[in-house]
Amino acid sequence: DTEVTQTPKHLVMGMTNKKSLKCEQHMGHRAMYWYKQKAKKPPELMFVYSYEKLSINESVPSRFSPECPNSSLLNLHLHALQPEDSALYLCASSQDWGAQYFGPGTRLLVL
Amino acid sequence: QKEVEQNSGPLSVPEGAIASLNCTYSDRVSQSFFWYRQYSGKSPELIMSIYSNGDKEDGRFTAQLNKASQYVSLLIRDSQPSDSATYLCAATDNYGQNFVFGPGTRLSVLP
Repeated sequence: DTEVTQTPKHLVMGMTNKKSLKCEQHMGHRAMYWYKQKAKKPPELMFVYSYEKLSINESVPSRFSPECPNSSLLNLHLHALQPEDSALYLCASSQDWGAQYFGPGTRLLVL
Repeated sequence: QKEVEQNSGPLSVPEGAIASLNCTYSDRVSQSFFWYRQYSGKSPELIMSIYSNGDKEDGRFTAQLNKASQYVSLLIRDSQPSDSATYLCAATDNYGQNFVFGPGTRLSVLP
């Protein structure tokens, strides 16, 4: 089973809202990732968790806050976003830094 | 030189032909390479991974790695209209911890 799930599929939020994106995998993978993807661009790495610890933070603004409650779950908390943050947010997981498996993504629109 | 480079396309091939997608990489990435297919509005889907010199075949797909020339390619035999998508080449960085994506090549298979 190579399934990564993400909720919600779509999200519309105002610039003063607080919302969270959720990601779950049951493949026993120890690394989990958040990416941001704009139209016609490749995925852009935001955060990497390895064994539930944040190992890479690619200079992402503090209005994005990741959380890894356990080895299967990854959250991305959103607060005071800007319209330019509208994008497809992808979660991925991998075992031992090998191939990454992506979830279906959350399409975020910030008004 | 960017770490991973691809022609953005679009690459157009007739149905039934061989589609050849190429990717070059710099010394800043390591020797693990991956090809992803991404349909418009969807998340990337892993097609192939290749770690050693030579060819690796999986169904209609063949990945080729040439470390001396620092390129990796993906051949799609008997191309179908359903293969029309953006193909992303990815490599692990030299720390082995995250992916570096190329910009992607858009493939169009014409009926």
